[in-house]
Amino acid sequence: NAGVTQTPKFQVLKTGQSMTLQCAQDMNHEYMSWYRQDPGMGLRLIHYSVGAGITDQGEVPNGYNVSRSTTEDFPLRLLSAAPSQTSVYFCASSYSAGFEETQYFGPGTRLLVL
Amino acid sequence: AQSVTQLGSHVSVSEGALVLLRCNYSSSVPPYLFWYVQYPNQGLQLLLKYTTGATLVKGINGFEAEFKKSETSFHLTKPSAHMSDAAEYFCAAGGSNYKLTFGKGTLLTVNP
Repeated sequence: NAGVTQTPKFQVLKTGQSMTLQCAQDMNHEYMSWYRQDPGMGLRLIHYSVGAGITDQGEVPNGYNVSRSTTEDFPLRLLSAAPSQTSVYFCASSYSAGFEETQYFGPGTRLLVL
Repeated sequence: AQSVTQLGSHVSVSEGALVLLRCNYSSSVPPYLFWYVQYPNQGLQLLLKYTTGATLVKGINGFEAEFKKSETSFHLTKPSAHMSDAAEYFCAAGGSNYKLTFGKGTLLTVNP
């Protein structure tokens, strides 16, 4: 198993540009989520999904869109990038939404918005 | 709302010394509790977790944590620090809505 994979590893955007951060897992996990990590802030939940076709907002959803058309993929879209979205983004997945299950994190995408 | 507080953004210990990283949570209902470790330029790796049952939880790499309901704490310990333990550690709490709330992290430095 490749586990949780994220692409790209690093991206530079200009303010107002759009892009999609890709996340995929090959473990047949139902639950997937996106976090952003900022210095001194820990990780904050952006969006999550409990299964294909089902998504919901986390703590900091503004400026981000998600969809879940397949079990494997959970892309995060920035429609109009802002400097405040400069961060490291982590995708995570687990077998189910229950906390008895371990969440596995991807290696992260480092995003710089100029 | 759930909140997680990690006391000390930076902890420095000598190799072989006790490691103690503090975590307190705020909740009217005992949550699920986790410790994650992040090595430089890597994702998070689960060290240990408390869901139900035994309050002393053993994890990987010799770490353990004790859930104390009366103190709303879940401190992480390791009897003897190793150079390879240098990393950032995150405490997290999960509630019934499947959302994890993370603390701000504690950077552990191990001095030779």
